[in-house]
Amino acid sequence: LAKTTQPISMDSYEGQEVNITCSHNNIATNDYITWYQQFPSQGPRFIIQGYKTKVTNEVASLFIPADRKSSTLSLPRVSLSDTAVYYCLVGGESSYKLIFGSGTRLLVRP
Amino acid sequence: AAGVIQSPRHLIKEKRETATLKCYPIPRHDTVYWYQQGPGQDPQFLISFYEKMQSDKGSIPDRFSAQQFSDYHSELNMSSLELGDSALYFCASSLGLGTSGGGIRNEQFFGPGTRLTVL
Repeated sequence: LAKTTQPISMDSYEGQEVNITCSHNNIATNDYITWYQQFPSQGPRFIIQGYKTKVTNEVASLFIPADRKSSTLSLPRVSLSDTAVYYCLVGGESSYKLIFGSGTRLLVRP
Repeated sequence: AAGVIQSPRHLIKEKRETATLKCYPIPRHDTVYWYQQGPGQDPQFLISFYEKMQSDKGSIPDRFSAQQFSDYHSELNMSSLELGDSALYFCASSLGLGTSGGGIRNEQFFGPGTRLTVL
């Protein structure tokens, strides 16, 4: 399973766009990239998943460059309720367990 | 929509006691995962079941065992509890080898967790 590296923490203000970059230099051909969000004392929650290029849903966008060695989660116009830990996970169809590395603790200030 | 149900939500035990945690997956989900999250730690995968068979095993102590029943619910049995077992235990469920709506692979839906405190 590819190892991921993310910033330990990030600070932002309400209404700003937040971009969290994850490095996964050893990503395998059949690996996809998934991001989860976790609030304190709650279970992680799926945010977005992609394999290449750009994926967008109602809560976030995921940008993946051509070499796929990194990915960027983009949260548009964050609010206080986006304060959480964000995990980048890389895995393929041969492994279904989620391996959580050290996530990024995002603090959104008023 | 129905979510993953875990019981109990809170559990307090003494050292060397046993504990049983229960997980009821989302209807029609055939795969269950167990994760342990210690204070200030990231979730760690323990074990998973697909169609009532163990499908993967992580860093689960030998003192722990788990199974998935015919109705797909799962139980995590923990014996000879130690202080270090104090943690949040999450259960997650998924459609196993398939994809959920929108072609998402292995989207896991987590329950609210059971907070185990060992005194």
